Amino acid sequence: EVQLVESGGGLVQPGGSLRLSCAASEFTFSNYEMNWVRQAPGKGLEWVSYISGSGGTKYYADSVKGRFTISRDNAKNSLSLQMNSLRAEDTAVYFCAGLRSSYGSALFDPWGQGTLVTVSS
Amino acid sequence: EIVMTQSPATLSVSPGERATLSCRASQSVSSNLAWYQQKPGQAPRLLIYGASTRATGIPARFSGSGSGTEFTLTISSLQSEDFAVYYCQQYYIWPPLTFGGGTKVEIK
Repeated sequence: EVQLVESGGGLVQPGGSLRLSCAASEFTFSNYEMNWVRQAPGKGLEWVSYISGSGGTKYYADSVKGRFTISRDNAKNSLSLQMNSLRAEDTAVYFCAGLRSSYGSALFDPWGQGTLVTVSS
Repeated sequence: EIVMTQSPATLSVSPGERATLSCRASQSVSSNLAWYQQKPGQAPRLLIYGASTRATGIPARFSGSGSGTEFTLTISSLQSEDFAVYYCQQYYIWPPLTFGGGTKVEIK
């Protein structure tokens, strides 16, 4: 069974940094485009960042551009999100999610269970 | 950026009844529209893509329709496990990939 497991969440002060990781198993990770999607407490889903299978193409939501960096290590089946200059509004559960992109689609599947990031003093 | 708007925010339905959820796009997304289901404490699950194609393992009581800017998710006969929050997502023009604000289907 395909599995994505996030780690690295926690409590951080405003202006601080945190690095999230996502470990993938039971699928050919390098073939998958990957994303981070977040969900603030009691709120909806917000796409955060995308990375292509090779790592050569990256996109970011305007809300995190210049502060967050997505990366991947295909040899280790691992996805990361480096988050700097964190703000209270970055508080959310962060999900890593694969992107099914055949035939022009862009569907989030599979998903990890998420890791909670809390930005507070 | 394409803005997705879902209505209603909350839908109260009795088990066995039909539920109809709406999703509107700020501009045409053709049929590039997906629906996800999310239960408390869980990750979202893909239900529908291409506006009307059920994902693998999704029961036939879930159906999607629409194109352009107006879309509908219908659950024909609500089961207890269907009470959840449902999100639509467009993938016609991205980045960014955008979601609607969600519709919570609760027990009446």
